[in-house]
Amino acid sequence: EAGVTQFPSHSVIEKGQTVTLRCDPISGHDNLYWYRRVMGKEIKFLLHFVKESKQDESGMPNNRFLAERTGGTYSTLKVQPAELEDSGVYFCASSQLRGTDTQYFGPGTRLTVL
Amino acid sequence: AQSVTQLGSHVSVSEGALVLLRCNYSSSVPPYLFWYVQYPNQGLQLLLKYTSAATLVKGINGFEAEFKKSETSFHLTKPSAHMSDAAEYFCAVSPGSNQFYFGTGTSLTVIP
Repeated sequence: EAGVTQFPSHSVIEKGQTVTLRCDPISGHDNLYWYRRVMGKEIKFLLHFVKESKQDESGMPNNRFLAERTGGTYSTLKVQPAELEDSGVYFCASSQLRGTDTQYFGPGTRLTVL
Repeated sequence: AQSVTQLGSHVSVSEGALVLLRCNYSSSVPPYLFWYVQYPNQGLQLLLKYTSAATLVKGINGFEAEFKKSETSFHLTKPSAHMSDAAEYFCAVSPGSNQFYFGTGTSLTVIP
């Protein structure tokens, strides 16, 4: 069974540019999560999808971040325009059930904004 | 409010020595607790989780953790470190909502 995959693994962009990160969850997992880790700090929750619906987006930093999950399969996270403080590692996770069910994480996308 | 504190951002142990990684949590409700490990260039992998059953939880690769409610702790241990244990370890708490709350991580170095 394939795990959670993320693309790209690394992205280096300049301030003001746009970047789109993609996450493919484990097949059959309705729940998809985005997290971010800024260097040296904790991994922080960004948002949660149940199928194609946003269940909780309380962790999204601001309106420069837009997440979508059309069709309830893969998800994208777009940052537009990117700022220096957006640099970090963006993790995607999926789970079969919500709540305390184990979340399975992808390898992350390392975003560097110059 | 939920939070996790991992004492020691870097821990070094000799090969064959005891591994002890500390995690203290704060939760307003009975928590579910998790330890994840991240090897270089890989995603977070679940080591073990506590779900209010036995307080001593055994995980993969010889790791175990003990839930101590009175100390609000969930420390991770392994009796004998192996070189392959070198990685970053994250403690997380779930209060039953959808989001996990993570600590800042502990990087484990194993010295041959």
